[in-house]
Order: sequence, then structure tokens, then C-alpha cells
Amino acid sequence: GQQLNQSPQSMFIQEGEDVSMNCTSSSIFNTWLWYKQDPGEGPVLLIALYKAGELTSNGRLTAQFGITRKDSFLNISASIPSDVGIYFCAGLTVQGAQKLVFGQGTRLTINP
Amino acid sequence: SAVISQKPSRDICQRGTSLTIQCQVDSQVTMMFWYRQQPGQSLTLIATANQGSEATYESGFVIDKFPISRPNLTFSTLTVSNMSPEDSSIYLCSVRRGSTDTQYFGPGTRLTVL
Repeated sequence: GQQLNQSPQSMFIQEGEDVSMNCTSSSIFNTWLWYKQDPGEGPVLLIALYKAGELTSNGRLTAQFGITRKDSFLNISASIPSDVGIYFCAGLTVQGAQKLVFGQGTRLTINP
Repeated sequence: SAVISQKPSRDICQRGTSLTIQCQVDSQVTMMFWYRQQPGQSLTLIATANQGSEATYESGFVIDKFPISRPNLTFSTLTVSNMSPEDSSIYLCSVRRGSTDTQYFGPGTRLTVL
């Protein structure tokens, strides 16, 4: 089946640093979604991308839908302690029934 | 966005028993899904809950083990049947509104099977 390769798997940074993570696939996706999951909670939608090349911001978060439709990245600027959590990329498949495929997640840890 | 609630939020169950998880959405949605998230892992789609018809299951998941109901456009249930410790996971309800392709998740049900 279709898979998303998300990297890095984990990040340990200092408060105030910028963060970058990305997802790649051998398949094309119609939509890219980025989620954050806190312990004991469900994933919360951060940013949705609908068009190839689209660059979208949500506060300190910026995400882009790759021009080839096979990749996406998420940047977080000036990290703060509440950014700690697991970030997931997800792509909506093109063919057949549209399903959301998830990356493996990036665990972000911030040292104050 | 969509407000999604799940019941129960967590449960501890004995091997061989069954648990039914409920998902309620605050407004009508086109599509509802059930996901499983095993400890430390990503999310895996179990099935698409179809209103008024049988759910569509992904490879590796079967109706006898995970029966699903969706009686209307705002409610669905997932039953985990004949549970074993390997079923210990977070089970998540998810919804998608028809035209936006944006998908939202409930808070999850944390299941522990002893």
C-alpha cells in the first residue's frame, strides 16, 4: 500500500529554535494534512494543503505542498514548550476511495 | 471544524470480552472512519463506516472482529470483539466533510486488555 516516509523520527531542541520536518512518498496525493497529537489525546489538525506548490501558514507554523505532489514539509518557528508532542503528516490518496495515509510521526522534545 | 466525542474515554477489559465504542459528531458528516493506534505507533485505518450499509474494511481487519454500525450521519459505533492483549490500543473516530477533504479526529478511546 501507499506509505509516507516522515523524518526525522524525533527531535530534541532548545526553546526558541526553529523546527523542520518533512514527509515524502512514491505516490501522489491530493491533499496533505499536518496533525499534532498530545499524550492521551486525539490528533489535532494544524494545517491543510490542497494544491501542489501551496504554502500555508498558521501562526508560527508554515507548511508546503510539494510541487510534485509527493512531499510536504512543516516548519515551526521560535519553538515554545507547548509545541512538545508528536507531529503526523497525512496524505489523501488519489485513486479509488480517498483514504488518509499517515506518516510515522515526529516526536518533538523541547529543552527549556 | 467538527466536534467529536467518544465513549468511553478509556477502559480496562478482560480477555475474551467485547467492548463497544461510541462516536458522536456535533453535525452531519459525509464520511466517518475508525482508526487504531497501537502503543508508540502511527494511525492505521480499520474501516470506513457507511451510513445504512456495511462498513468497508481495510486489509487485515474483518467484520467479525470489528463490527461497525452507522445508523445516521452523526453517530457510529465500533465493537472490538473477543479481545486479546494484542487489541490494547487507542481507537479513534474520524470524520470528513464532503467537499473540503479536511479530516478531524475524536479524542480516542484507550483500551487495555488484560
